[in-house]
Amino acid sequence: DIQMTQSPSSLSASVGDRVTISCQASQDISKYLSWYQQKPGKAPKLLIYDASNVETGVPSRFSGSGSGTDFTFTISSLQPEDIATYYCQQYDDLPLTFGGGSKVEI
Amino acid sequence: QVVLQESGPGLVIPSGILSLTCTISGGSINRYHWSWLRQPPGKGLEWIGNISYTGTTNYNPSLKSRVTMSVDTSRNQFSVKLTSVTAADTAVYYCARGGDGSKGPTVHWGQGTLVTVSS
Repeated sequence: DIQMTQSPSSLSASVGDRVTISCQASQDISKYLSWYQQKPGKAPKLLIYDASNVETGVPSRFSGSGSGTDFTFTISSLQPEDIATYYCQQYDDLPLTFGGGSKVEI
Repeated sequence: QVVLQESGPGLVIPSGILSLTCTISGGSINRYHWSWLRQPPGKGLEWIGNISYTGTTNYNPSLKSRVTMSVDTSRNQFSVKLTSVTAADTAVYYCARGGDGSKGPTVHWGQGTLVTVSS
């Protein structure tokens, strides 16, 4: 299985701050990485696919970059509604695997 | 807009069978791969497996010996059965839609249903 390592596991930031989360794959996964937002008690929501493509309807403050084994997710200006846990997922190979999550707090 | 809804018992006895169905509305099951995922309380996400509308399955090796997925195109539903459950199988179970291939981002998620394994 491909292991996905996310960091940090939690972070605290202020409204308007730039927030960055990292995700590292245990092997080359090319661009086949997605990012999800999960608010408490809710299902995850797809934000980014193919490492850097923003899903339709997702605010432009969310972005992703990277390829191979190292990926980054960025919120350019943190908003109160962005409080959530964020997960990366690789889909280069089965089984599909997720990072451990990064909890963003204000 | 496609909506996915999980249904099934919220309580399963240890060593029993967990059985869930996902009903798709606002779209057809006759395309894409359809997944089951789970999330133990307070923990991360685990992919259980997926099934195509033609019935081709892919399972997580960690659960493969206990999992069976099926699809009912006439009802626009797909299902999962997990046998020999233990407390470790207690989780929120999600059904979801993937892409055209067996590997792809998880595009649409159901709201999830909590299944507790307990006597």
